[in-house]
Amino acid sequence: DTGVSQDPRHKITKRGQNVTFRCDPISEHNRLYWYRQTLGQGPEFLTYFQNEAQLEKSRLLSDRFSAERPKGSFSTLEIQRTEQGDSAMYLCASSFVATSVWNIQYFGAGTRLSVL
Amino acid sequence: AQSVTQPDIHITVSEGASLELRCNYSYGATPYLFWYVQSPGQGLQLLLKYFSGDTLVQGIKGFEAEFKRSQSSFNLRKPSVHWSDAAEYFCAVGAWGNYQLIWGAGTKLIIKP
Repeated sequence: DTGVSQDPRHKITKRGQNVTFRCDPISEHNRLYWYRQTLGQGPEFLTYFQNEAQLEKSRLLSDRFSAERPKGSFSTLEIQRTEQGDSAMYLCASSFVATSVWNIQYFGAGTRLSVL
Repeated sequence: AQSVTQPDIHITVSEGASLELRCNYSYGATPYLFWYVQSPGQGLQLLLKYFSGDTLVQGIKGFEAEFKRSQSSFNLRKPSVHWSDAAEYFCAVGAWGNYQLIWGAGTKLIIKP
């Protein structure tokens, strides 16, 4: 168990550019979540996957955001045409969900995005 | 409306002193409660959780929390803080089978030497 890994740790980009983040969950976990966190706030839910299926998207996730989890393993979060308001920490979490097991989410270290 | 309130944005405590961080929640279903800690530039680490049973739960790093249903609270405590406890602490609430946690805004803990 190597924990949840996120890459890159930091990303600086210019407004209008596209960026992609990667998350590798804990290997046996079947759920994967993306959150956004701004300074002084708790995480805000963006989306989550059960295996490869994206089951819920927050209204925070505009059309410029897209997430995938091919084959139910790693996930990518892409932001197109970045705006300065996208600057935040993007957190990934994973969990194992079963009928008798509570959904404890384990977090990666996050990707800090700065849009200039 | 479902919400989690952490009334203290910052708390400053002397090293070796006791600590209590407050968390109040408003939640329609039976709550499952969590405390996470986030060190600067890091992700969130689970400190402890409450699902059912004994209302006083023990966590890692010497932390404990007490669930008080009548007060809708889940306060985090530690008898003696260490400089390494300086971090931001988040309270969260969820429900069985619900993927989505509701998060507080966090309390930043500052340790005075």
